[in-house]
Amino acid sequence: KAGVTQTPRYLIKTRGQQVTLSCSPISGHRSVSWYQQTPGQGLQFLFEYFSETQRNKGNFPGRFSGRQFSNSRSEMNVSTLELGDSALYLCASRGQGYLSGNTIYFGEGSWLTVV
Amino acid sequence: GIQVEQSPPDLILQEGANSTLRCNFSDSVNNLQWFHQNPWGQLINLFYIPSGTKQNGRLSATTVATERYSLLYISSSQTTDSGVYFCAVDGPPSGTYKYIFGTGTRLKVLA
Repeated sequence: KAGVTQTPRYLIKTRGQQVTLSCSPISGHRSVSWYQQTPGQGLQFLFEYFSETQRNKGNFPGRFSGRQFSNSRSEMNVSTLELGDSALYLCASRGQGYLSGNTIYFGEGSWLTVV
Repeated sequence: GIQVEQSPPDLILQEGANSTLRCNFSDSVNNLQWFHQNPWGQLINLFYIPSGTKQNGRLSATTVATERYSLLYISSSQTTDSGVYFCAVDGPPSGTYKYIFGTGTRLKVLA
């Protein structure tokens, strides 16, 4: 069974640009969540989607947005990039059901550098 | 919101040594997981353990929910165990799956 796939793995953007990151969850998983990891703030929750609906959102400005498609793939977008948005962005997926419904599995992440 | 503290922040071991990593949390939790972050950044799921004890090879974990802590044991450590270990918890209300991560324990195992 394939794991969580994130693309692109590495990217460099200029301040003021926008970026879109993609995440394909484990087959059959309908929940996708996103996290940001920086040296200063650690790992922080961005948002969670389930069946195309955003269910939870972390404390990030409106420049950070996301969506989920009917096939459970998710994208997150950051507009008007700032230097402080440089980070590792991690996507996680979660299944349903008693046996597998509570464990989240992470992808390899997307390394974003803003210059 | 819920606070998560991990200790020690850094740990250096000789290969073959045993270690215990601790995670304290400030409120009741619905979900708790331990992760190992490898040098390439990926978070590898080690245990889903909101309560009780689990073992997987050289690793084991115990969560005492009533006392709000969890422990990760690494026995006979190997150089491949190096990396950062994170505890992540999801507190009330239930069903949010909004994990709060600790600041991690950075482990280095020397050959």
